[in-house]
Amino acid sequence: NAGVTQTPKFQVLKTGQSMTLQCAQDMNHNSMYWYRQDPGMGLRLIYYSASEGTTDKGEVPNGYNVSRLNKREFSLRLESAAPSQTSVYFCASTPQSQNYGYTFGSGTRLTVV
Amino acid sequence: QQPVQSPQAVILREGEDAVINCSSSKALYSVHWYRQKHGEAPIFLMILLKGGEQKGHDKISASFNEKKQQSSLYLTASQLSYSGTYFCGTDNFGNQFYFGTGTSLTVIP
Repeated sequence: NAGVTQTPKFQVLKTGQSMTLQCAQDMNHNSMYWYRQDPGMGLRLIYYSASEGTTDKGEVPNGYNVSRLNKREFSLRLESAAPSQTSVYFCASTPQSQNYGYTFGSGTRLTVV
Repeated sequence: QQPVQSPQAVILREGEDAVINCSSSKALYSVHWYRQKHGEAPIFLMILLKGGEQKGHDKISASFNEKKQQSSLYLTASQLSYSGTYFCGTDNFGNQFYFGTGTSLTVIP
């Protein structure tokens, strides 16, 4: 049982480049989330998908787009990377809503130069 | 809306106890607690729901004071494996869920 799988684990981008972070869960969870974690700021929600076919903005959505491809997969796209997007990105899932604990992926460490 | 955690950091000797507090400015429906070790993903410890009881997990337990909009995490007889950063997360009745900025806990021999 893999849980939540994120790829890639590390990435270096040049300013202006684009990339997609992939996330897949095998727990049949309905809700999926993308967070970024920066030193001293905790985890901040970028986008979430309460269920297949829906996506909503979180606290810091600017510069990002998401796709809920199916129930298992939720991707995060950076269209034109900026140094301010240097961060660690975590994907997470719950059976549904926040009445259940989050299961996090292992994270993607992204550096934009 | 981000909950405030205190203390920001604490250093303990093995066997000592610690309390980490999480406070919100808004009414709380639920509080989550997570532990994150350096370079790893946060791991879910427990959730406390409005009207629920104090929860426990081995020597780690938590309480939820709805009236004060606070939760506390209790670590008793700390072990080296308890080291890490502890985050609370708060759900303000269906509004967005927010994580606190974390409490760094270091247990030394």
